[in-house]
Amino acid sequence: SQQGEEDPQALSIQEGENATMNCSYKTSINNLQWYRQNSGRGLVHLILIRSNEREKHSGRLRVTLDTSKKSSSLLITASRAADTASYFCATDAAGTASKLTFGTGTRLQVTL
Amino acid sequence: NAGVTQTPKFQVLKTGQSMTLQCAQDMNHNSMYWYRQDPGMGLRLIYYSASEGTTDKGEVPNGYNVSRLNKREFSLRLESAAPSQTSVYFCASSPRLSAYNEQFFGPGTRLTVL
Repeated sequence: SQQGEEDPQALSIQEGENATMNCSYKTSINNLQWYRQNSGRGLVHLILIRSNEREKHSGRLRVTLDTSKKSSSLLITASRAADTASYFCATDAAGTASKLTFGTGTRLQVTL
Repeated sequence: NAGVTQTPKFQVLKTGQSMTLQCAQDMNHNSMYWYRQDPGMGLRLIYYSASEGTTDKGEVPNGYNVSRLNKREFSLRLESAAPSQTSVYFCASSPRLSAYNEQFFGPGTRLTVL
């Protein structure tokens, strides 16, 4: 069963705009990670946020975590065409022996 | 460093045929994983190996077997392929089975079972 559900399923924006995607999950977690997948490629790790953290930054990425609402958001600022990809959240649920459970992903299209 | 490599990149099988997907990592990682990715489903864990010599079932293990040949290599075998196993298969590795490790993914194998 999917632990994480991303919203929206698809997002189309213009270069320079900000992109926000959300992830909701069902059970208590140790951490939440975001991954990017370019078309036809494997996943690449972007950022990890621990359950006791509320916000984390990495370059143009900003991740927030609200454990009371069991949700996270990924913000990509000043998007570029190269950001076009699918984005997945992955949770490490408490009691699952540190196995990741991935969401269904958000497809981001950034147009010039 | 090649990271995580997978072979083959593409494969077409007939129902009932068998095959082995190969995965190797050169990062000296202890833990390795096999996932399948289906449209609209995200990634689902098939099997994982916390360390050399151990393997455990994931969310969708039926129809698959695995072998952790050594620390570098982790193979996935389909004994009798079925159309429901048509998918993209990803191998991944991490330094160890820990809540705070990122996973490193291979490029995937696209498998079609007719």
